Amino acid sequence: AQKVTQAQTEISVVEKEDVTLDCVYETRDTTYYLFWYKQPPSGELVFLIRRNSFDEQNEISGRYSWNFQKSTSSFNFTITASQVVDSAVYFCALTTMEYGNKLVFGAGTILRVKS
Amino acid sequence: EAGVTQFPSHSVIEKGQTVTLRCDPISGHDNLYWYRRVMGKEIKFLLHFVKESKQDESGMPNNRFLAERTGGTYSTLKVQPAELEDSGVYFCASSPRTPGTDTQYFGPGTRLTVL
Repeated sequence: AQKVTQAQTEISVVEKEDVTLDCVYETRDTTYYLFWYKQPPSGELVFLIRRNSFDEQNEISGRYSWNFQKSTSSFNFTITASQVVDSAVYFCALTTMEYGNKLVFGAGTILRVKS
Repeated sequence: EAGVTQFPSHSVIEKGQTVTLRCDPISGHDNLYWYRRVMGKEIKFLLHFVKESKQDESGMPNNRFLAERTGGTYSTLKVQPAELEDSGVYFCASSPRTPGTDTQYFGPGTRLTVL
């Protein structure tokens, strides 16, 4: 079965602090894809990143970085120098071809960045 | 390029009434997905269209839910009759290719409240 766990329900930080959102996944498939989505207060789900199981390189995009470690089945997301506009719900998700490309989501982490 | 659009943004109905949600995917996207998030729970898959055909409807909760995708363009999700437990946010997503695990781009969601 496919499963995604985001153990952090809610995180509060002060602006300019770094914050890491954890994501642990479970799957028996050898080919899979991991995603992060952001849901700002306006409600839409905004795609942030997609990573396949064969690419363990970490990725950096501006203040965002992602750490993919197959050994611990984790795909963590770090925001450096957080800003108030980063306040949102962040979802980690998993899909596999064997599972029919359906996204399996974690419960989401609410990030509150205070000025 | 226009993103995924959903209508209405909010719907409040009485138990036993019928509601129809609409999703317009990104132009040219063959894959269309419906998901829903009920209060406090994860975002869950409902069904997947490839063009006008239902590829996977394993997530549909019961036969009160009917989804269609006319001509492989927009899709509708009808709930008839609505029950209290149907309240939640219904998301639509689309992706460009068939088959595959391309990134799914989400709409803003429809918030459904059943009283």
